[in-house]
Amino acid sequence: NAGVTQTPKFQVLKTGQSMTLQCAQDMNHNSMYWYRQDPGMGLRLIYYSASEGTTDKGEVPNGYNVSRLNKREFSLRLESAAPSQTSVYFCASSESKYTEAFFGQGTRLTVV
Amino acid sequence: RKEVEQDPGPFNVPEGATVAFNCTYSNSASQSFFWYRQDCRKEPKLLMSVYSSGNEDGRFTAQLNRASQYISLLIRDSKLSDSATYLCVVKGSGNQFYFGTGTSLTVIP
Repeated sequence: NAGVTQTPKFQVLKTGQSMTLQCAQDMNHNSMYWYRQDPGMGLRLIYYSASEGTTDKGEVPNGYNVSRLNKREFSLRLESAAPSQTSVYFCASSESKYTEAFFGQGTRLTVV
Repeated sequence: RKEVEQDPGPFNVPEGATVAFNCTYSNSASQSFFWYRQDCRKEPKLLMSVYSSGNEDGRFTAQLNRASQYISLLIRDSKLSDSATYLCVVKGSGNQFYFGTGTSLTVIP
């Protein structure tokens, strides 16, 4: 019962370093999402993919890129990390237009 | 204007109390509605979907008023284990989820 799996769980980066957050779901869901969560701000959408082969910007896309590698996997890349990207990142997936989202366990990222 | 607005609380209630959370949303074309629960340093997890006719799951009752664009969650007979942050979530016509900032609940012995 893996559901949505994110790696890594924790990461510390230096300013200017790059990294890719990985996300995979085994529920055959069409849509996948990347969110960041900051204190007092709630969950904010970075990018999403409504279906395999498509990606769209969310509320806070600047400084990030995504790849929907196949139906299972949706990765988030930080090309040049900044302290403002210190956050908890959640990947989620959803089967259809009307169904709920299932979340991964999150990645706690600190940029120093 | 935010897509989803919630009272952040905190709500501190004694065990056994009834507590209600409210939420409003701005887009009248929104398709689906949910309440999620998030424990400290964990991922959000679905508590219940919200239907126009209202729905109940044990001690939890959710209501949706599309005319007023208002969603509510009622928790009866609060337990210590109900302490968490409750997130109001709305799914738009574009397949995106919009989250409220969450309402913090602490149930006190």
